[in-house]
Amino acid sequence: KAGVTQTPRYLIKTRGQQVTLSCSPISGHRSVSWYQQTPGQGLQFLFEYFSETQRNKGNFPGRFSGRQFSNSRSEMNVSTLELGDSALYLCASSLSVSNYGYTFGSGTRLTVV
Amino acid sequence: EDKVVQSPLSLVVHEGDTVTLNCSYEVTNFRSLLWYKQEKKAPTFLFMLTSSGIEKKSGRLSSILDKKELSSILNITATQTGDSAIYLCAVEATSGTYKYIFGTGTRLKVLA
Repeated sequence: KAGVTQTPRYLIKTRGQQVTLSCSPISGHRSVSWYQQTPGQGLQFLFEYFSETQRNKGNFPGRFSGRQFSNSRSEMNVSTLELGDSALYLCASSLSVSNYGYTFGSGTRLTVV
Repeated sequence: EDKVVQSPLSLVVHEGDTVTLNCSYEVTNFRSLLWYKQEKKAPTFLFMLTSSGIEKKSGRLSSILDKKELSSILNITATQTGDSAIYLCAVEATSGTYKYIFGTGTRLKVLA
């Protein structure tokens, strides 16, 4: 069965631009979470969606937003990019909000120049 | 503030050695602790621990939770080069806005 698919794999943007990342969860998984991973901070929770509703949100500025579609696919958007937004963005899916069976995608490596 | 601290930050060992990785946490309303292995990009699930003192084991890897000490250890015996990875510890807390709080990880390198 297909895993969690994230696109694109790599992205280079300039400061001030905006970017949209996509995540397709495992078939049947309805919960999608997003994380930012940087060498200094480790994995930091961005937000979680379940049934098209944001259930949890981490401590990130409003430039970071997301949404989930009826087929459980999710997108996250970062507006007005800053150099510090350069990171690996990981998406993880699970059956439900309370399910521990997280499966991570391979991530999108975003570089802001 | 909820936090998860892993130690050591990095470790270099030789094949056949045994390693112990540590994870300590300070969170309100602890629910579970998870260990992941990250080799390239996608972290892969290793263990979930909810009860103190019960060892979870998978091959050469084992882990145990100590709720009194607010910590967990991950043991790897007879290490192999394929064990080289970043090992992540995550704690689920049911208060606040965070779902899982991750530590920064322990980078393990196993030399042949």
